[in-house]
Amino acid sequence: GQNIDQPTEMTATEGAIVQINCTYQTSGFNGLFWYQQHAGEAPTFLSYNVLDGLEEKGRFSSFLSRSKGYSYLLLKELQMKDSASYLCAVRANAGNNRKLIWGLGTSLAVNP
Amino acid sequence: DGGITQSPKYLFRKEGQNVTLSCEQNLNHDAMYWYRQDPGQGLRLIYYSQIVNDFQKGDIAEGYSVSREKKESFPLTVTSAQKNPTAFYLCASSKNTGELFFGEGSRLTVL
Repeated sequence: GQNIDQPTEMTATEGAIVQINCTYQTSGFNGLFWYQQHAGEAPTFLSYNVLDGLEEKGRFSSFLSRSKGYSYLLLKELQMKDSASYLCAVRANAGNNRKLIWGLGTSLAVNP
Repeated sequence: DGGITQSPKYLFRKEGQNVTLSCEQNLNHDAMYWYRQDPGQGLRLIYYSQIVNDFQKGDIAEGYSVSREKKESFPLTVTSAQKNPTAFYLCASSKNTGELFFGEGSRLTVL
């Protein structure tokens, strides 16, 4: 089967660092996406990893290990507006986005 | 500004009625998608179109229909055959292998 696992909920303090993990078992692998979704709104793209290693983009970084089927999203200098759900998605085949496997999302609450 | 627009944002429907959700994009993307999002579940693909005049069923196509007569437009009809239509519907577009750009979503409630 195809499966993506993320923690359901996490809490953190404003100004701190938080790491959201994502593990996957899929029939193929052609890239991993992270999206942010505020309550009642549409997901917005955060990052994309297709090769092993760390991709840094401002306060957000994403890491991938293909051999371990593992990724994490690192959020630094947390702000209240970072309270949202974070979705991990794996593209299971090359050529198109038809086969995107979505995790259930991690709901992050940032407290003052 | 380039983007993807869904309408209406909120929609109420009586049982037995068909409703059509609009999705328009001016990003010049070839691929467009319809997803359904329910509490406690991941995004589930309803229909997918990679090119004008062509579309394929996703994982939960039963009770839904689409058309792709223009590159910019990919409307979704929720038919009376859909047993549990109350949900948050998301339209998205992408270059073939790029990230998805989502519309603001349409929340459908069946009364």
